[in-house]
Amino acid sequence: AQKVTQAQTEISVVEKEDVTLDCVYETRDTTYYLFWYKQPPSGELVFLIRRNSFDEQNEISGRYSWNFQKSTSSFNFTITASQVVDSAVYFCALSETNTGNQFYFGTGTSLTVIP
Amino acid sequence: DTAVSQTPKYLVTQMGNDKSIKCEQNLGHDTMYWYKQDSKKFLKIMFSYNNKELIINETVPNRFSPKSPDKAHLNLHINSLELGDSAVYFCASSQPRGRYGLETQYFGPGTRLLVL
Repeated sequence: AQKVTQAQTEISVVEKEDVTLDCVYETRDTTYYLFWYKQPPSGELVFLIRRNSFDEQNEISGRYSWNFQKSTSSFNFTITASQVVDSAVYFCALSETNTGNQFYFGTGTSLTVIP
Repeated sequence: DTAVSQTPKYLVTQMGNDKSIKCEQNLGHDTMYWYKQDSKKFLKIMFSYNNKELIINETVPNRFSPKSPDKAHLNLHINSLELGDSAVYFCASSQPRGRYGLETQYFGPGTRLLVL
């Protein structure tokens, strides 16, 4: 079973629209990390944010915000007033305390912002 | 200053050849990884090293052999390259496991391998 599900394969929005990228995770651990990474068309993987399982406070960084809800096992990412430079593939990932020695990456959401 | 670097960035080669990809990190991390990203962008862990010791060896053909001469370097050697090896290979590094799980991984720029 997929530990991290990003159900939205591709999203297109018009510039200045807000967009939310969904991430649903599955774990039996009570302590874990959740991450978001950005992969722009140039190909590199850029770390955006990390949250631990005890910190459900929403995070805002400029136009980016993250909504972590343990009750629904979700860690959603919202871009406000999207820009063309936001066009990228975005990956959500999970790292557990007790299980394995690896990140569990979602399959990614490809976001296209149309000017 | 590049935190995680890989060379080469592009690699085009013929089937059957042997090639190596080098990775270096200057973050002082103990743990390094190799990932393969296929054409559908799926990221698959291949290997994980902690302080030069192999931790993860996922189901990868034994034509792939990682080597870690020291904890700042993790190279990937591929023997007898096949068409299906064409992909982007990413190196990453992180601090060791933390209180909540594996720490943040920082990725290199990727090596785009094309086998003809």
